[in-house]
Amino acid sequence: DGGITQSPKYLFRKEGQNVTLSCEQNLNHDAMYWYRQDPGQGLRLIYYSQIVNDFQKGDIAEGYSVSREKKESFPLTVTSAQKNPTAFYLCASSNQAGIYEQYFGPGTRLTVT
Amino acid sequence: SQQGEEDPQALSIQEGENATMNCSYKTSINNLQWYRQNSGRGLVHLILIRSNEREKHSGRLRVTLDTSKKSSSLLITASRAADTASYFCATDASSTLGRLYFGRGTQLTVWP
Repeated sequence: DGGITQSPKYLFRKEGQNVTLSCEQNLNHDAMYWYRQDPGQGLRLIYYSQIVNDFQKGDIAEGYSVSREKKESFPLTVTSAQKNPTAFYLCASSNQAGIYEQYFGPGTRLTVT
Repeated sequence: SQQGEEDPQALSIQEGENATMNCSYKTSINNLQWYRQNSGRGLVHLILIRSNEREKHSGRLRVTLDTSKKSSSLLITASRAADTASYFCATDASSTLGRLYFGRGTQLTVWP
């Protein structure tokens, strides 16, 4: 089965802790993306990567970090510097950045208390 | 911001009726896409229309694009209860390659 997976589906953390969200794809896509979605809101881009070992900041990168060491994987770390980390996080991939449709994972709901 | 804006924010109709959602954007684009999101799930791509296209069909979906007005519409014909979801438009921007800009979405409810 080809697709994009995110784990875990639900994640709970204490304030002040860093947490890493996993995103893996086996679609052989070059580009990968991380979005944040708050209730009733659209998607806001956190980081994106068009190729291995390269990534760019999106609109709300502060308090987040990423790596792209493998084509299949694009983990997102939510650091303690992120002021309001509780949100629904969506990972996506596409064949070529910005030109083709994006394929989304099922999302991770992060709750920080 | 290039971000698209959908209108209306919420739409409630009966099964069998048509649903029309609109999207407006601000800068030149190469293409515009529509996505669907069921509650608590990831987005699913519905249709992509290029800037040189005016209309595109896919099953019960019809998308139009008017680049002079910087607007698009998504029409779902003969709606079903299973069409209940949020619908988002997404645009690229000719000046910013590599990413999409999503609107806030239209929440469609189809009553049986």
